[in-house]
Amino acid sequence: QVQLVQSGAEVKKPGASVKVSCKASGYTFTTYGISWVRQAPGQGLEWMGWISTYNGNKNYAQKLQGRVTMTTDTSTSTAYMELRSLRSDDTAVYYCARVRTIFGVVTPTGGMDVWGQGTTVTVSS
Amino acid sequence: QSVLTQPPSVSAAPGQKVTISCSGSSSNIGNNYVSWYQQLPGTAPKLLIYDNNKRPSGIPDRFSGSKSGTSATLGITGLQTGDEADYYCGTWDSSLSAFWVFGGGTKLTVL
Repeated sequence: QVQLVQSGAEVKKPGASVKVSCKASGYTFTTYGISWVRQAPGQGLEWMGWISTYNGNKNYAQKLQGRVTMTTDTSTSTAYMELRSLRSDDTAVYYCARVRTIFGVVTPTGGMDVWGQGTTVTVSS
Repeated sequence: QSVLTQPPSVSAAPGQKVTISCSGSSSNIGNNYVSWYQQLPGTAPKLLIYDNNKRPSGIPDRFSGSKSGTSATLGITGLQTGDEADYYCGTWDSSLSAFWVFGGGTKLTVL
């Protein structure tokens, strides 16, 4: 079945970096993009950005520009999200989700149809 | 403060119907498709409705979506205790800050 499996929980100190992985299975990896969404404790969902697995095109939320990098490894059907210069307000559950693309461009249709189980990232001194 | 506005909470009795609203603007809902997500406690969000009113396979027809102008609505009929969850709307946004935006979420309580 189609699924996205994420890496395990992380605890980091302020100023450090974290890299979360998202391994896809059950479909052709390069036919869909990957979006990253985070959820701070007790808060709503926040879109972080997305990446085309077809050609690596990406878009990031403006507030994270300069601190976030999204990449993919098509040989292992895995997407990665790295967040640098971590702060306490980066403490959240991080999700990857599948999005539709056409020739490497994320389309406005279809929503985010498959989600990973989430990765808890705790930033604390 | 979310770009899309949802009521913080709604409630209804088992078997009843409830609607959850999502209000935006011409830069998001007004010119784009809306999707809805259900997040049960302690779990990842799940796609309920996409492209305003389409249901993925496996989603019962008790769940419906509609859009009019710059607002969208999620409807749930025949409420069950298992429907208690947080519900989020989401859509594209043409502003400079983000390509995609979510509503603040609505907590559904089935009394």
